[in-house]
Amino acid sequence: ETGVTQSPTHLIKTRGQQVTLRCSSQSGHNTVSWYQQALGQGPQFIFQYYREEENGRGNFPPRFSGLQFPNYSSELNVNALELDDSALYLCASSYTGQGSNQPQHFGDGTRLSIL
Amino acid sequence: ILNVEQSPQSLHVQEGDSTNFTCSFPSSNFYALHWYRWETAKSPEALFVMTLNGDEKKKGRISATLNTKEGYSYLYIKGSQPEDSATYLCAFRNTGNQFYFGTGTSLTVIP
Repeated sequence: ETGVTQSPTHLIKTRGQQVTLRCSSQSGHNTVSWYQQALGQGPQFIFQYYREEENGRGNFPPRFSGLQFPNYSSELNVNALELDDSALYLCASSYTGQGSNQPQHFGDGTRLSIL
Repeated sequence: ILNVEQSPQSLHVQEGDSTNFTCSFPSSNFYALHWYRWETAKSPEALFVMTLNGDEKKKGRISATLNTKEGYSYLYIKGSQPEDSATYLCAFRNTGNQFYFGTGTSLTVIP
C-alpha cells in the first residue's frame, strides 16, 4: 500500500511569487484535503477535493486554489505569496463513500519559507 | 470563528501513569470528531473517527469518548509508555465538510 506523498519537501520563495505543491493520495483513496500549519498552531483547513471538485473550503483567500486529477492526486497553488504564507503544508487523503466516515492519512508535508 | 480547544496544552507523566486530555468543540453542525497522534519528524497518524453521541472507541491502551450534545471528547491513555510521547490532535468536522483542528496536547512520558 503506497502512502501519501508530498513534493517538494522544502521550498523557498520570495514575496509575490507563485508556488505549486503536489500530493499523491494513498491507493484506494479518492479525497484529498490540504492544511496549513503555522508555528505553534494546529493545522488550518484550506480545502478538500473529491471527484476533481472542491468539496469544502476553510477561511483562506482565493489566491489559494487547488486541483484534483483523475488519479486522485492533487495540487495546491498559492499566488502572490506573502510572508505569512510561510508554514508547513500538509496533504491528507481519505476514502469518501456512501455512509463512510474514514480517517485521513497524512503526508510528511512541504515546508514553505517566504523571504 | 469556530474554536476547537484542547487541554491541557502540555503534559508530563511518569511511565506507567494513566492520563487523559480534553477536546472541546461546537455542539452544532456536528458531523465527526477525529483524533490524531503526531510524533516529531513524522506525519499525523489517525487514531479514531467518532460520529455518534456516546461513542467509545479503543485501540490498545488508548481510548476515547464522545459527547456531541455538550461538545467534548476525552482521550485516555492507560499505563503510559515513552513511545506514547507525541502531540495529540483532535479535529472537528462539521456538516459543511470543513475541518477544524485544535492546537494539540503535547504529551511527554518520562521513563
